[in-house]
Amino acid sequence: NAGVTQTPKFQVLKTGQSMTLQCAQDMNHEYMSWYRQDPGMGLRLIHYSVGAGITDQGEVPNGYNVSRSTTEDFPLRLLSAAPSQTSVYFCASRLGTQLKPTQSGYGYTFGSGTRLTVV
Amino acid sequence: AQSVTQPDIHITVSEGASLELRCNYSYGATPYLFWYVQSPGQGLQLLLKYFSGDTLVQGIKGFEAEFKRSQSSFNLRKPSVHWSDAAEYFCAVGESGNTPLVFGKGTRLSVIA
Repeated sequence: NAGVTQTPKFQVLKTGQSMTLQCAQDMNHEYMSWYRQDPGMGLRLIHYSVGAGITDQGEVPNGYNVSRSTTEDFPLRLLSAAPSQTSVYFCASRLGTQLKPTQSGYGYTFGSGTRLTVV
Repeated sequence: AQSVTQPDIHITVSEGASLELRCNYSYGATPYLFWYVQSPGQGLQLLLKYFSGDTLVQGIKGFEAEFKRSQSSFNLRKPSVHWSDAAEYFCAVGESGNTPLVFGKGTRLSVIA
């Protein structure tokens, strides 16, 4: 299993450009989410999805769009990049939203991150 | 709404000394609690987790954490710190179902000789 794969690992954008951060998992996880990490702020939730066709906003959704057309993929789109979106982005997934933590297989898997710089 | 507080932004300890990183949560029911570690430029690695049962949980790399419901705390401990433990540590709270994982802002650990 590859786990959670994020691409690209590094990206530099100019203000106003658009791009898509890719996140793919091969574990048949229902739950997927995007976080951004900034110094002193920890990880803040951007968007999450509990299954194909279902997405919801997190703490800091402005400037980002997501969709979930398949179980495997959960891309994060920046429509018009701003310097405030310079950050490290992490994708995380989890098996079955109805699975209890005491059940086998429960646990979050994180991707290795995408470092984005907007100039 | 769930929230997680890590009161210490930065802690410095001597190698071989004991360590305790604090974590307090705000949550109505019994939370599911996690500690993650992040080395510079790396992703997140799960150290340990608490769901139910014994309130003292053991993790990897010699870490342990104790859940104290009365204090809404889940502090991370290690009896003897090694230089390789220098990293950032995150406490997180979640649950089953559709509620996302919520992270604290992290505690940066420096280890000196």
